[in-house]
Amino acid sequence: DGGITQSPKYLFRKEGQNVTLSCEQNLNHDAMYWYRQDPGQGLRLIYYSQIVNDFQKGDIAEGYSVSREKKESFPLTVTSAQKNPTAFYLCASSIDRLAGGGSYNEQFFGPGTRLTVL
Amino acid sequence: GESVGLHLPTLSVQEGDNSIINCAYSNSASDYFIWYKQESGKGPQFIIDIRSNMDKRQGQRVTVLLNKTVKHLSLQIAATQPGDSAVYFCAESTGYSTLTFGKGTMLLVSP
Repeated sequence: DGGITQSPKYLFRKEGQNVTLSCEQNLNHDAMYWYRQDPGQGLRLIYYSQIVNDFQKGDIAEGYSVSREKKESFPLTVTSAQKNPTAFYLCASSIDRLAGGGSYNEQFFGPGTRLTVL
Repeated sequence: GESVGLHLPTLSVQEGDNSIINCAYSNSASDYFIWYKQESGKGPQFIIDIRSNMDKRQGQRVTVLLNKTVKHLSLQIAATQPGDSAVYFCAESTGYSTLTFGKGTMLLVSP
Protein backbone atom coordinates (compact mmCIF):
# COMPACT_ATOMS: atom_id res chain seq x y z
CA ASP A 1 0.00 0.00 0.00
CA GLY A 2 1.94 2.98 -1.32
CA GLY A 3 1.64 6.49 0.03
CA ILE A 4 2.81 9.16 2.41
CA THR A 5 2.40 8.81 6.13
CA GLN A 6 2.69 11.47 8.77
CA SER A 7 2.77 10.92 12.48
CA PRO A 8 1.38 11.74 14.86
CA LYS A 9 -1.99 13.07 13.68
CA TYR A 10 -2.25 15.37 16.69
CA LEU A 11 0.67 16.76 18.68
CA PHE A 12 0.77 18.97 21.72
CA ARG A 13 3.82 20.86 22.78
CA LYS A 14 4.68 23.09 25.67
CA GLU A 15 6.00 26.50 24.80
CA GLY A 16 9.80 26.49 24.53
CA GLN A 17 10.12 22.85 23.52
CA ASN A 18 11.35 21.50 20.21
CA VAL A 19 9.22 18.86 18.50
CA THR A 20 9.82 16.66 15.45
CA LEU A 21 7.12 15.71 12.95
CA SER A 22 7.57 12.53 10.97
CA CYS A 23 7.02 12.10 7.22
CA GLU A 24 7.65 8.84 5.37
CA GLN A 25 6.91 7.90 1.76
CA ASN A 26 7.23 4.61 -0.10
CA LEU A 27 6.47 6.06 -3.53
CA ASN A 28 10.16 6.21 -4.49
CA HIS A 29 9.81 9.95 -5.03
CA ASP A 30 12.95 12.04 -5.08
CA ALA A 31 11.47 15.31 -3.89
CA MET A 32 9.77 15.97 -0.55
CA TYR A 33 8.18 19.08 0.90
CA TRP A 34 6.87 20.53 4.14
CA TYR A 35 4.01 23.04 4.20
CA ARG A 36 2.24 24.89 6.92
CA GLN A 37 -1.50 25.63 6.72
CA ASP A 38 -3.35 28.18 8.83
CA PRO A 39 -7.13 28.76 8.78
CA GLY A 40 -8.24 30.77 5.77
CA GLN A 41 -4.86 30.57 4.09
CA GLY A 42 -3.27 28.48 1.41
CA LEU A 43 -0.29 26.24 1.93
CA ARG A 44 3.00 27.95 2.66
CA LEU A 45 6.27 26.19 1.90
CA ILE A 46 8.64 25.67 4.82
CA TYR A 47 11.42 23.48 3.40
CA TYR A 48 11.88 21.15 0.47
CA SER A 49 14.37 18.55 -0.63
CA GLN A 50 14.94 17.40 -4.19
CA ILE A 51 17.51 14.74 -3.34
CA VAL A 52 18.94 12.91 -0.35
CA ASN A 53 21.32 14.96 1.82
CA ASP A 54 20.19 18.22 0.25
CA PHE A 55 17.38 20.62 1.13
CA GLN A 56 16.38 24.25 0.55
CA LYS A 57 14.49 26.83 2.54
CA GLY A 58 11.01 27.71 1.45
CA ASP A 59 9.09 30.90 2.11
CA ILE A 60 8.76 30.53 5.90
CA ALA A 61 11.77 28.49 7.06
CA GLU A 62 12.58 30.54 10.16
CA GLY A 63 12.17 28.51 13.35
CA TYR A 64 12.16 25.17 11.51
CA SER A 65 14.81 22.62 10.57
CA VAL A 66 14.83 19.47 8.44
CA SER A 67 17.05 16.57 7.48
CA ARG A 68 17.05 14.20 4.50
CA GLU A 69 19.27 11.27 5.38
CA LYS A 70 17.09 8.75 3.55
CA LYS A 71 15.03 9.04 0.39
CA GLU A 72 11.93 7.81 2.22
CA SER A 73 12.07 10.16 5.18
CA PHE A 74 11.94 13.94 5.64
CA PRO A 75 11.39 14.86 9.31
CA LEU A 76 10.58 18.44 10.30
CA THR A 77 11.65 19.92 13.63
CA VAL A 78 9.68 22.85 14.97
CA THR A 79 12.06 24.68 17.26
CA SER A 80 11.39 26.99 20.15
CA ALA A 81 12.45 29.85 17.87
CA GLN A 82 9.22 29.49 15.86
CA LYS A 83 7.03 32.29 17.22
CA ASN A 84 3.64 30.90 16.28
CA PRO A 85 3.94 27.15 15.76
CA THR A 86 0.29 26.15 16.20
CA ALA A 87 -0.83 25.05 12.72
CA PHE A 88 -1.64 22.12 10.46
CA TYR A 89 1.55 20.70 8.91
CA LEU A 90 1.48 18.88 5.60
CA CYS A 91 4.19 16.80 4.00
CA ALA A 92 4.25 16.05 0.28
CA SER A 93 6.42 14.22 -2.22
CA SER A 94 6.73 14.39 -5.98
CA ILE A 95 8.25 12.61 -8.91
CA ASP A 96 11.58 14.04 -9.98
CA ARG A 97 10.73 16.16 -13.01
CA LEU A 98 14.20 15.78 -14.42
CA ALA A 99 13.56 12.07 -14.79
CA GLY A 100 10.77 12.87 -17.18
CA GLY A 101 8.40 10.25 -15.87
CA GLY A 102 4.83 11.05 -15.07
CA SER A 103 3.37 14.47 -14.43
CA TYR A 104 5.21 17.69 -13.93
CA ASN A 105 5.86 18.13 -10.21
CA GLU A 106 2.55 16.57 -9.23
CA GLN A 107 2.72 16.52 -5.45
CA PHE A 108 1.11 13.86 -3.30
CA PHE A 109 0.21 14.85 0.23
CA GLY A 110 0.19 13.06 3.54
CA PRO A 111 -2.75 13.27 5.98
CA GLY A 112 -1.17 16.09 8.02
CA THR A 113 -0.19 16.68 11.64
CA ARG A 114 -2.02 19.23 13.77
CA LEU A 115 0.43 20.83 16.18
CA THR A 116 -0.89 22.78 19.13
CA VAL A 117 1.33 24.73 21.49
CA LEU A 118 -0.03 24.90 25.01
CA GLY B 1 -12.63 19.07 12.13
CA GLU B 2 -9.85 21.27 10.80
CA SER B 3 -11.02 24.85 10.24
CA VAL B 4 -9.17 25.17 6.97
CA GLY B 5 -12.14 26.94 5.46
CA LEU B 6 -12.37 29.78 7.95
CA HIS B 7 -12.88 33.08 6.08
CA LEU B 8 -12.48 31.48 2.66
CA PRO B 9 -14.62 32.43 -0.36
CA THR B 10 -17.53 30.03 -0.41
CA LEU B 11 -19.56 28.59 -3.26
CA SER B 12 -22.89 27.02 -2.29
CA VAL B 13 -24.67 24.78 -4.79
CA GLN B 14 -27.47 22.24 -4.87
CA GLU B 15 -26.78 18.58 -5.47
CA GLY B 16 -26.86 17.88 -9.20
CA ASP B 17 -25.88 21.39 -10.24
CA ASN B 18 -22.65 22.13 -12.06
CA SER B 19 -20.02 24.00 -10.03
CA ILE B 20 -17.40 26.40 -11.28
CA ILE B 21 -14.51 27.37 -9.03
CA ASN B 22 -12.22 30.13 -10.19
CA CYS B 23 -8.61 30.97 -9.55
CA ALA B 24 -6.55 33.97 -10.64
CA TYR B 25 -2.82 33.44 -10.77
CA SER B 26 -0.16 36.10 -10.73
CA ASN B 27 2.87 34.79 -12.59
CA SER B 28 2.53 34.98 -16.36
CA ALA B 29 5.52 32.64 -16.67
CA SER B 30 3.75 29.80 -14.84
CA ASP B 31 3.56 26.75 -17.05
CA TYR B 32 1.93 24.09 -14.90
CA PHE B 33 -1.25 24.21 -12.84
CA ILE B 34 -2.94 21.79 -10.48
CA TRP B 35 -6.27 21.65 -8.70
CA TYR B 36 -6.41 20.00 -5.28
CA LYS B 37 -9.36 19.04 -3.10
CA GLN B 38 -9.00 19.14 0.68
CA GLU B 39 -11.58 17.68 3.01
CA SER B 40 -11.74 18.77 6.60
CA GLY B 41 -8.80 17.47 8.66
CA LYS B 42 -7.13 15.75 5.71
CA GLY B 43 -4.30 16.40 3.29
CA PRO B 44 -5.01 17.79 -0.21
CA GLN B 45 -5.86 15.30 -2.92
CA PHE B 46 -4.85 15.78 -6.55
CA ILE B 47 -7.83 16.33 -8.86
CA ILE B 48 -6.51 17.39 -12.24
CA ASP B 49 -3.60 19.24 -13.78
CA ILE B 50 -2.94 21.20 -16.96
CA ARG B 51 0.14 22.50 -18.72
CA SER B 52 0.36 25.92 -20.31
CA ASN B 53 0.36 24.50 -23.84
CA MET B 54 -3.28 23.47 -23.31
CA ASP B 55 -6.40 25.50 -22.59
CA LYS B 56 -8.70 22.68 -21.53
CA ARG B 57 -8.40 19.29 -19.97
CA GLN B 58 -11.11 16.88 -18.89
CA GLY B 59 -11.22 14.23 -16.24
CA GLN B 60 -14.00 12.25 -14.66
CA ARG B 61 -16.75 14.82 -13.94
CA VAL B 62 -14.15 17.60 -13.82
CA THR B 63 -12.82 20.01 -16.42
CA VAL B 64 -10.03 22.53 -16.01
CA LEU B 65 -9.91 25.61 -18.22
CA LEU B 66 -6.85 27.79 -18.57
CA ASN B 67 -6.94 31.32 -19.95
CA LYS B 68 -3.38 32.56 -20.10
CA THR B 69 -4.39 35.93 -21.52
CA VAL B 70 -6.10 36.96 -18.30
CA LYS B 71 -4.17 34.53 -16.04
CA HIS B 72 -7.28 32.67 -14.99
CA LEU B 73 -7.89 29.05 -14.15
CA SER B 74 -11.22 27.40 -13.48
CA LEU B 75 -12.40 24.03 -12.27
CA GLN B 76 -15.77 22.80 -13.42
CA ILE B 77 -17.45 19.96 -11.56
CA ALA B 78 -20.39 18.34 -13.31
CA ALA B 79 -23.40 17.01 -11.39
CA THR B 80 -22.00 18.10 -8.03
CA GLN B 81 -22.50 15.64 -5.19
CA PRO B 82 -22.46 16.13 -1.39
CA GLY B 83 -19.13 14.27 -1.35
CA ASP B 84 -17.65 17.08 -3.39
CA SER B 85 -17.97 19.44 -0.43
CA ALA B 86 -14.44 20.51 0.44
CA VAL B 87 -11.92 23.30 0.02
CA TYR B 88 -10.44 23.51 -3.47
CA PHE B 89 -6.98 24.94 -4.12
CA CYS B 90 -5.27 25.88 -7.33
CA ALA B 91 -1.48 25.75 -7.52
CA GLU B 92 0.98 26.98 -10.13
CA SER B 93 4.64 26.44 -10.91
CA THR B 94 7.20 27.76 -13.34
CA GLY B 95 9.80 25.54 -14.91
CA TYR B 96 11.33 23.52 -12.11
CA SER B 97 10.17 25.82 -9.32
CA THR B 98 8.08 24.70 -6.39
CA LEU B 99 4.30 25.01 -6.37
CA THR B 100 2.61 28.23 -5.24
CA PHE B 101 -0.84 27.66 -3.77
CA GLY B 102 -3.86 29.91 -3.85
CA LYS B 103 -5.89 30.52 -0.70
CA GLY B 104 -8.69 28.17 -1.66
CA THR B 105 -12.45 28.19 -2.17
CA MET B 106 -14.88 26.27 -0.02
CA LEU B 107 -17.54 24.34 -1.93
CA LEU B 108 -20.72 23.49 -0.01
CA VAL B 109 -23.15 21.08 -1.66
CA SER B 110 -26.69 20.85 -0.31
CA PRO B 111 -28.70 17.66 -0.80
